[in-house]
Amino acid sequence: GIQVEQSPPDLILQEGANSTLRCNFSDSVNNLQWFHQNPWGQLINLFYIPSGTKQNGRLSATTVATERYSLLYISSSQTTDSGVYFCAVSSNDYKLSFGAGTTVTVRA
Amino acid sequence: NAGVTQTPKFQVLKTGQSMTLQCAQDMNHNSMYWYRQDPGMGLRLIYYSASEGTTDKGEVPNGYNVSRLNKREFSLRLESAAPSQTSVYFCASSEGTSGRARGTQYFGPGTRLTVL
Repeated sequence: GIQVEQSPPDLILQEGANSTLRCNFSDSVNNLQWFHQNPWGQLINLFYIPSGTKQNGRLSATTVATERYSLLYISSSQTTDSGVYFCAVSSNDYKLSFGAGTTVTVRA
Repeated sequence: NAGVTQTPKFQVLKTGQSMTLQCAQDMNHNSMYWYRQDPGMGLRLIYYSASEGTTDKGEVPNGYNVSRLNKREFSLRLESAAPSQTSVYFCASSEGTSGRARGTQYFGPGTRLTVL
């Protein structure tokens, strides 16, 4: 299956700081999604972004499919941004392969 | 809309017992999925159903069976639970038709299962 590597594994931020999370994948994909798992375990879809750039409020994402990586940007971080961020990819739309995640802690 | 719902939220089983995890979605999605999440890891796909009437194995299908009961419901059964199946189980759904929304997956709240 497709290998997914996320970096960094852990990130500690002061409230108001900006950060970049990276996702590298080992093969061509037609499906790439970013998820946030909050401290209560709920998984929320942030972006469906197999290519290009998208923005949603303080979050934005860029996928460079030809170079097999995606970046998630968090600007002006808030304590509610804490949790685990997962990148997941697929080459057949259905079988998502997840990375191990980046654990983000935002301190007030 | 409730989105994706799962029952039960918590369950404790003894080794060898069986149980069924239930999942339902009210978004008229065609595709549904079962994942497990182990501590410190991402999710791993157990089974999926691309459309009503079809099911396929994912990455870790051994020890599980699934039933796509109708378009709304997709159940996961453990016939003889083992301690290695202690995990958090997530159900998800996606629209599953052509176009950009095809692959966007929406997740239920999860079932925390402990097998003693």
